[in-house]
Amino acid sequence: DAKTTQPNSMESNEEEPVHLPCNHSTISGTDYIHWYRQLPSQGPEYVIHGLTSNVNNRMASLAIAEDRKSSTLILHRATLRDAAVYYCILTRSGAGSYQLTFGKGTKLSVIP
Amino acid sequence: DTGVSQDPRHKITKRGQNVTFRCDPISEHNRLYWYRQTLGQGPEFLTYFQNEAQLEKSRLLSDRFSAERPKGSFSTLEIQRTEQGDSAMYLCASSKPSQGNTEAFFGQGTRLTVV
Repeated sequence: DAKTTQPNSMESNEEEPVHLPCNHSTISGTDYIHWYRQLPSQGPEYVIHGLTSNVNNRMASLAIAEDRKSSTLILHRATLRDAAVYYCILTRSGAGSYQLTFGKGTKLSVIP
Repeated sequence: DTGVSQDPRHKITKRGQNVTFRCDPISEHNRLYWYRQTLGQGPEFLTYFQNEAQLEKSRLLSDRFSAERPKGSFSTLEIQRTEQGDSAMYLCASSKPSQGNTEAFFGQGTRLTVV
C-alpha cells in the first residue's frame, strides 16, 4: 500500500483557517485520497475524499497537487470542536474491501 | 439514531477469559469491518465482511481472534484466552456497496481492558 506522511501535530487559533498537509509521493493513478478525523473518545469520522480534482463539502475542502504527490485538507474556520487527530489515507479504486490503513495522523489543537 | 452501534462500550476481563463484542451496522450497509486501536496509534484493520461472507481475515492478530456475521446483519468479534496485550479499543465500521470508494461509518468502539 502507498504510504502517507503527515506532521505529528499542529496548532491553530479558533476561527482561523487550518491547512493540514499530507505527502503521498508513491500514490498510484487509481488511489483515492481520503481524510478521516477522530475526536477524543470517538470512532473515526469521514471528512472528505478525492481523486484528482479539488473537492469541497460542508466540513472541509481538499486541495490535491497537480502531480497528486501531496494534498492539503483545509478547514476554513477552525472551531474548538475541530480539535482531533486527522488521518490522510490512500485507498485503491476497485480494491473491494475498502480497508483503511491509518497512520498516526496529525493531532490538531485549537486555541481559543 | 441509525449509526453504527457497538456493545458493550467498555469491558474489563481477567487474563485467560473469553470476550465477545457485538456490532450493529447501518441497516443498508452490506460491508462491515473490524479494527483495533491501541493508545497513541491509528486504527489497525482486522477483518472485513461483505454480507455474511468474511472476505478478508488474514489480518486477524492470532487464531485467538475470530469474527462472524451469520445473517449478514450484526457481527461479533470474539477473543479467546485474552492476554494483557489485547487491551485496546475495538472499532466496527460499515459502508455501502460501491464500485469505487465510499465513506465508512464507525461506531464508538468497545474498550477492552485485560487485567
